[in-house]
Amino acid sequence: GAGVSQTPSNKVTEKGKYVELRCDPISGHTALYWYRQSLGQGPEFLIYFQGTGAADDSGLPNDRFFAVRPEGSVSTLKIQRTERGDSAVYLCASSLGGGVETQYFGPGTRLLVL
Amino acid sequence: QKEVEQDPGPLSVPEGAIVSLNCTYSNSAFQYFMWYRQYSRKGPELLMYTYSSGNKEDGRFTAQVDKSSKYISLFIRDSQPSDSATYLCAMRTGNQFYFGTGTSLTVIP
Repeated sequence: GAGVSQTPSNKVTEKGKYVELRCDPISGHTALYWYRQSLGQGPEFLIYFQGTGAADDSGLPNDRFFAVRPEGSVSTLKIQRTERGDSAVYLCASSLGGGVETQYFGPGTRLLVL
Repeated sequence: QKEVEQDPGPLSVPEGAIVSLNCTYSNSAFQYFMWYRQYSRKGPELLMYTYSSGNKEDGRFTAQVDKSSKYISLFIRDSQPSDSATYLCAMRTGNQFYFGTGTSLTVIP
């Protein structure tokens, strides 16, 4: 079956612009996670959704970052007033339920802020 | 101090060698311990996860957890060129996952 998909695969933007990154989880997966991975680093937790609600958003670095999952499937990570330091790979993962350890990751969106 | 420490390598071994990858951690609240493999420009892929101290084996892979020392290991037997990738350890407490920086492994034919 289809895995986790993320669009766009690459995004180049200018400092100060607004960007949206989309994640399509595996069908039926209620848990969805966003991570940020900088070069040479492991993924860094940003936010966790259980269904439509953000169960844990403590990893979001500041109020320029926001994520939604209005219908409990597709999620969008939104970054306002982008900064060069936001350049990274943004990974999305889904799992069947929040208590299950098997997360399936998408290929990521490579964001470059010039 | 980071929650999870992992030697980034790079590590280069000949085909057929036994590979040992390790992580240490500082947070006693970590409950689940995982190893992921990540190929270039791909998302991480779960290899193994364990809950308790001890060993868990799956084919050529063995995961080992020592909670008293806050130390986890992944052993790869009979390493293959296709094992060349970055290996990430990860640990979970509550809803949050904490990853190591990853160890880059190259298996030379």
